[in-house]
Amino acid sequence: QVQLQESGPGLVKPSETLSLTCTVSGGSISSYYWSWIRQPPGKGLEWIGYIYYRGSTNYNPSLKSRVTILLDTSKNQFSLKLSSVAAADTAVYYCAREKLNAFDIWGQGTKVTVSS
Amino acid sequence: DIQMTQSPSSLSASVGDRVTITCRASQIITNYLNWYQQKPGKAPKLLIYAASSFQSGVPSRFSGSGSGTDFTLTISSLQPEDFATYYCQQSYRSPLTFGGGTKVEIK
Repeated sequence: QVQLQESGPGLVKPSETLSLTCTVSGGSISSYYWSWIRQPPGKGLEWIGYIYYRGSTNYNPSLKSRVTILLDTSKNQFSLKLSSVAAADTAVYYCAREKLNAFDIWGQGTKVTVSS
Repeated sequence: DIQMTQSPSSLSASVGDRVTITCRASQIITNYLNWYQQKPGKAPKLLIYAASSFQSGVPSRFSGSGSGTDFTLTISSLQPEDFATYYCQQSYRSPLTFGGGTKVEIK
């Protein structure tokens, strides 16, 4: 049973870089596409971007200039870095696996607040 | 970007009711359409992929249909555990986008 778990700081200061890690357990990260998705308080879902197990990436153009997604196959993890954060980046951040063009497995989510 | 429009944004229904939620894409997405259920404080859960294929473990009262630009999620007989918010999502073209959600509440 593949499981995903997000980790990282729950509070980030404006203009700093948000850094989150997703740990994949119960299976190998060396397949599929691995995405980050976020949900601002009381709002809908926004896809941030994905990394393919071979290392290629694809980002949402709305965030592309600030986003980096990396893969660490030795640790079975992938990570998100979002630079120059502002209050609008406050959200629950989810990592998810994409299989057959759908997000079939999700982490539980981690709440990140941008505030000084 | 492909815009996904769900209707209604919310609905009230009773246990046992048949519920239909619609999702319209701003351009043709063939059958690259998925449906998710989200309960408060929880991650979304995949219900239907490729417009009409059941995700493993999902009750048979959930079904999906449609192709092109218009899609439907149907719950044949609403159960207490089905009160939640439902999202559609297109995987036809990047950036991947979600509908605004439909909140199903108890009447």
